[in-house]
Amino acid sequence: QVQLVESGGGVVQPGRSLRLSCAASRFTFSNYGMHWVRQAPGKGLEWVAVIWYDGTNKYYTDSVKGRFTISRDNSKNTLYLQMNSLRAEDTAVYYCAREKVAGTFYGMDVWGQGTTVTVSS
Amino acid sequence: DIQMTQSPSPLSASVGDRVTITCRASQSISSWLAWYQQKPGKAPKLLIYKASSLESGVPSRFSGSGSGTEFTLTISSLQPDDFATYYCQQYNSYLFTFGPGTKVDIK
Repeated sequence: QVQLVESGGGVVQPGRSLRLSCAASRFTFSNYGMHWVRQAPGKGLEWVAVIWYDGTNKYYTDSVKGRFTISRDNSKNTLYLQMNSLRAEDTAVYYCAREKVAGTFYGMDVWGQGTTVTVSS
Repeated sequence: DIQMTQSPSPLSASVGDRVTITCRASQSISSWLAWYQQKPGKAPKLLIYKASSLESGVPSRFSGSGSGTEFTLTISSLQPDDFATYYCQQYNSYLFTFGPGTKVDIK
């Protein structure tokens, strides 16, 4: 079964860094664009970032620009989110998700189980 | 940036009811809209893509319609498994914005 598994979450102090990983299995990872989506406690979904299937293009929501970097290693079937200068408002469950069809927006059809990031002193 | 709104929220309904959730975009997004269902503690599940296309495996009681700035998700006969929060999501200019969500709870 197609699967995404996130890891790397934890408790971190404000201003510090954290790197999330998302391991993909049972599909051709290099054929798909990938996203990070987060959900603060008790709040709605917030799209964070997208990376093209080949890593050539990356886009971010305004609140994380300059602090977060999305990347991928297609040889390892793994997606990453490097989070620097973390703030309390970055506290959330972070999901990785697969685009249903590369190169167009048909939604996100495969999601991981999420990893929790807590930014607190 | 495009802003998304959803109504109503919350929505109280009974099993067997026909339920309609509306999603509005602050500017035209053509048909670049998806709908998701999310249950507590779980990842979202794709229901509808490109405004009206039903995702494989999703029951046919779910349907989507609309284009431009106004979209609807309809559940033709609400089932116990459908009590959840529903989100719309738009795509425009390399940004993917979610609506605030509509929680469907038991009347």
